[in-house]
Amino acid sequence: RKEVEQDPGPFNVPEGATVAFNCTYSNSASQSFFWYRQDCRKEPKLLMSVYSSGNEDGRFTAQLNRASQYISLLIRDSKLSDSATYLCVVKDTGRRALTFGSGTRLQVQP
Amino acid sequence: DAGVIQSPRHEVTEMGQEVTLRCKPISGHNSLFWYRQTMMRGLELLIYFNNNVPIDDSGMPEDRFSAKMPNASFSTLKIQPSEPRDSAVYFCATQALNTEAFFGQGTRLTVV
Repeated sequence: RKEVEQDPGPFNVPEGATVAFNCTYSNSASQSFFWYRQDCRKEPKLLMSVYSSGNEDGRFTAQLNRASQYISLLIRDSKLSDSATYLCVVKDTGRRALTFGSGTRLQVQP
Repeated sequence: DAGVIQSPRHEVTEMGQEVTLRCKPISGHNSLFWYRQTMMRGLELLIYFNNNVPIDDSGMPEDRFSAKMPNASFSTLKIQPSEPRDSAVYFCATQALNTEAFFGQGTRLTVV
């Protein structure tokens, strides 16, 4: 079983739609959680951290459920520029390296 | 700061040749990570260094792979001899104590 699992997609949605991605992680000792965004043929970049209480950054909302070991990302009013691969990322206690999910591809269509 | 700098951006080599990938971290970042990305396996951690010391190399696929960080400004990942299955994008990422990890633009390696 992979440490971090995501639905690879692709998710094809029209502009303005709301879309949600989910992710599960296997290590209950994981301490930090992130969503990274990767554009085609580019490097991953941090989109947002994920906090236990849930957090929002503009159109983006991230949620963490430690009991179910589940992370989500909600994108509201999606834009063409949101088209990318979204990577769920976990950092384990005592380890500085990040573990990445395989990513979920989003394609927003006009 | 120019960010994490990797070279070369693209490398095409023949099977059996030695390949050296280079990374210059962001100044002041004390952790450095080498990742490999393929369609089949996604982003995999190969090795990471903290204060120039290798901490975890359990992701290095086999003895053909080696990595060094002789000083805080430079790291290399070497593959000798290279094989077609090593074809991937290799990313270097660096991090300071309380910052996110920043990635370089990657080296796209093709072994023919």
